[in-house]
Amino acid sequence: SQKIEQNSEALNIQEGKTATLTCNYTNYSPAYLQWYRQDPGRGPVFLLLIRENEKEKRKERLKVTFDTTLKQSLFHITASQPADSATYLCALDWGDSSYKLIFGSGTRLLVRP
Amino acid sequence: SAVISQKPSRDICQRGTSLTIQCQVDSQVTMMFWYRQQPGQSLTLIATANQGSEATYESGFVIDKFPISRPNLTFSTLTVSNMSPEDSSIYLCSVDKGETQYFGPGTRLLVL
Repeated sequence: SQKIEQNSEALNIQEGKTATLTCNYTNYSPAYLQWYRQDPGRGPVFLLLIRENEKEKRKERLKVTFDTTLKQSLFHITASQPADSATYLCALDWGDSSYKLIFGSGTRLLVRP
Repeated sequence: SAVISQKPSRDICQRGTSLTIQCQVDSQVTMMFWYRQQPGQSLTLIATANQGSEATYESGFVIDKFPISRPNLTFSTLTVSNMSPEDSSIYLCSVDKGETQYFGPGTRLLVL
């Protein structure tokens, strides 16, 4: 079955640095991959979608890469701010055109002022 | 985009009782999804609810335990039946808008 792995350890970085989060998957080839942000007590909020034929996508201070050979996505936040502190989830489509998503367990990011 | 509200936002329930969670969307959508998120865990899909048809449940979830209604294109309910402490979790609904999902704020449930 499909498996998604995100680093369960929190990432603790200094304000202004670049945060890099990793999402690895096994056992299938998704058509697209998404990143969501989740704050405590809130539902996830969509950030970026990248398709299997795209290597990189950017949105403001966010950058996502997608390596289908390595079966890995990297999520970067440049010039990080304390307000970026949250849990970041990657999600992949089920591969059956159903629009269902499988979510990773998320990585908690803490940006120190 | 979509704005989604859920009721209740939280509840404390006794084991053996049932709770119905409501999900309201500000626009018409075909597909709605119900997830469970246990403490420190990721989201697990319970079922997909399409208007006018029976909900489709994922492995490990059954209709008798989690009956779902989808009476129109903007509303759905999820009932957690005959609750046990293991059902303590956050329950979220979401809608699909062109491959992107928009989530409600969640319902935090504690079963004693």
